[in-house]
Formats: sequence, C-alpha cells, structure tokens
Amino acid sequence: AQSVTQLDSHVSVSEGTPVLLRCNYSSSYSPSLFWYVQHPNKGLQLLLKYTSAATLVKGINGFEAEFKKSETSFHLTKPSAHMSDAAEYFCVVIAMTAGNKLTFGGGTRVLVKP
Amino acid sequence: ETGVTQSPTHLIKTRGQQVTLRCSSQSGHNTVSWYQQALGQGPQFIFQYYREEENGRGNFPPRFSGLQFPNYSSELNVNALELDDSALYLCASSSRGGEYGREYFGPGTRLTVL
Repeated sequence: AQSVTQLDSHVSVSEGTPVLLRCNYSSSYSPSLFWYVQHPNKGLQLLLKYTSAATLVKGINGFEAEFKKSETSFHLTKPSAHMSDAAEYFCVVIAMTAGNKLTFGGGTRVLVKP
Repeated sequence: ETGVTQSPTHLIKTRGQQVTLRCSSQSGHNTVSWYQQALGQGPQFIFQYYREEENGRGNFPPRFSGLQFPNYSSELNVNALELDDSALYLCASSSRGGEYGREYFGPGTRLTVL
C-alpha cells in the first residue's frame, strides 16, 4: 500500500521568507506524487505533480518540489511567502489500484505573518 | 476555479437519516471520485465511478453508495447517518485517458450530523 506523511501539521512563516513543507512517501514502486492546496471555502487546487520525469518540479504561484528517491521525500518549497499562500497544503500519492485513487497526507496548515 | 459543481453547499441532518449529495462533472470528464474530509484531516477516498460503474472503493461501509448518470453527473448517498459522518464531502472529476492522476475538485458539501 502507498502512503504519505506530512511531517508538520502547522507551519508559520513571515511574509517574504522561504516556505518549506515536508512530505515523506511510502511506495513499493515508483510513485506519482502531487501537491494540492486548499483555500477556505474553495476546492482543492493542483500545485504541481511528479510523474517520473524531472526530479525538480515547478508548479504554480512560485512553488516547486524535489523528488528524492533515496530519502523517499517530496518536499514543497517557495522562496518568498505571500499572504495569499495562507492555506492548507496536501501531499498526495496516486495508488496504482483500480480507479487510481488519490491518497492524501494529513495536511499542513500554513500561516503567513505580515 | 474548476468546472465541477456540488450541491448543496451545506446540509444538516440528524442521526439515522439518509442524505443525497450531488456533483456535476467538468465538461468532457467521464470519471468521478468522491472523498470524505473530516475536520483537520486529509480527504479520504470513498469510491470512483467510470461510465456509470463503480471502479474502485475505499474503506467505507456499504451504507455509502453512489450513482453516475449518462451525462456523467453523480450522486453520493449515505444511509443511517452517524455522528462521525459529519465532514466535507468532495467530488472530483477526471478523464480516463487524460492527464494521469489529474483530478478536478469541486468546492465540497459540508454535512453536519446532529
């Protein structure tokens, strides 16, 4: 079975400073990994995805993530946080079972201080 | 914003009642998945429908059931509601044969069971 673990339930950063959201995955074979963002009262939005091409993946809104097989990690970063980045972020792995279901981590809530 | 819509946005029911949630898929999508997101947790896969047939199910009891219609809209039905069924229910549509693992989420229906 595949799973993801988000290592921080809450992250607080100041506006203009870097953001790091940590995710470790467990998979018996090469996974496909995603980061989704959820703003209050809005649907989940895809930030970026890794599907065995380049290990450094660039997404929307200045976010990027690096797939490290040796560390089974897929951490999300942004060089400079903006107030609009305050949201809940989910690391997601896709399961190669019937239906290709998405398996979500527990989420990391990001607070951005002015 | 995706083209996935859900109704109603909020719903209050009492224990033992039955509820039906509705989802309209994004145009051109033939697959719909339903997720349950309890407060403070990541979404959990309930089931997926492809061309009106169930195509994968998560660890949810049979009182959670669904339908997909020829126009690819979908319903989630929950019988004998329990307090723990209180959650945000998310619908996601995708296209079989389209971008792998890419799902488009609706804003969700928040169900409260009293």
